[in-house]
Amino acid sequence: DQQVKQNSPSLSVQEGRISILNCDYTNSMFDYFLWYKKYPAEGPTFLISISSIKDKNEDGRFTVFLNKSAKHLSLHIVPSQPGDSAVYFCAASARSGGSNYKLTFGKGTLLTVNP
Amino acid sequence: SQTIHQWPATLVQPVGSPLSLECTVEGTSNPNLYWYRQAAGRGLQLLFYSVGIGQISSEVPQNLSASRPQDRQFILSSKKLLLSDSGFYLCAWSVDGVGAGPGELFFGEGSRLTVL
Repeated sequence: DQQVKQNSPSLSVQEGRISILNCDYTNSMFDYFLWYKKYPAEGPTFLISISSIKDKNEDGRFTVFLNKSAKHLSLHIVPSQPGDSAVYFCAASARSGGSNYKLTFGKGTLLTVNP
Repeated sequence: SQTIHQWPATLVQPVGSPLSLECTVEGTSNPNLYWYRQAAGRGLQLLFYSVGIGQISSEVPQNLSASRPQDRQFILSSKKLLLSDSGFYLCAWSVDGVGAGPGELFFGEGSRLTVL
């Protein structure tokens, strides 16, 4: 049962344009959502997050939108740069006893930004 | 500041051989520790997590086991590797109040395991 879904395995955009990465979830208990960026042969690094009480969070070129009713979130990167080329993972968390939050990840979307 | 290290970075092992991947965290106390695997064409799958010494929770049935002999040490093991164990293994830690918000994980550099 895949609780976090990234239905687009890959996305290709031109430098300077907007990149939109999408993510859907099924578990209504998720209360925090994160995006991670991963380069080949490296561990993922945190990019941006959003709490379920908000519908938008912006950090520089990166904005995450959350639509709770649709159980959908998206990551917007504008303008896209070649250095943004990486795999982007959507993740969600729900408190699971005490202070241990477990992250459930999607399968990732490979973003390629062409110069 | 906190750091996480895991080793070895790359491992090529024959089917049926044992496995030991080690992860250590520095600069924090009583972290939550995690082992994830990224298999080819798949996302990040949580294998094990630990909230304290000797406390291990397994997320999926598999050929692997985990142990936490010390507060900041997490070990992933197998007695006999299978071909399907190949993948990129990631150790991670989290601590309430550290990071952007609840559940943020800090990952190690990863260990590439190839089982032949």
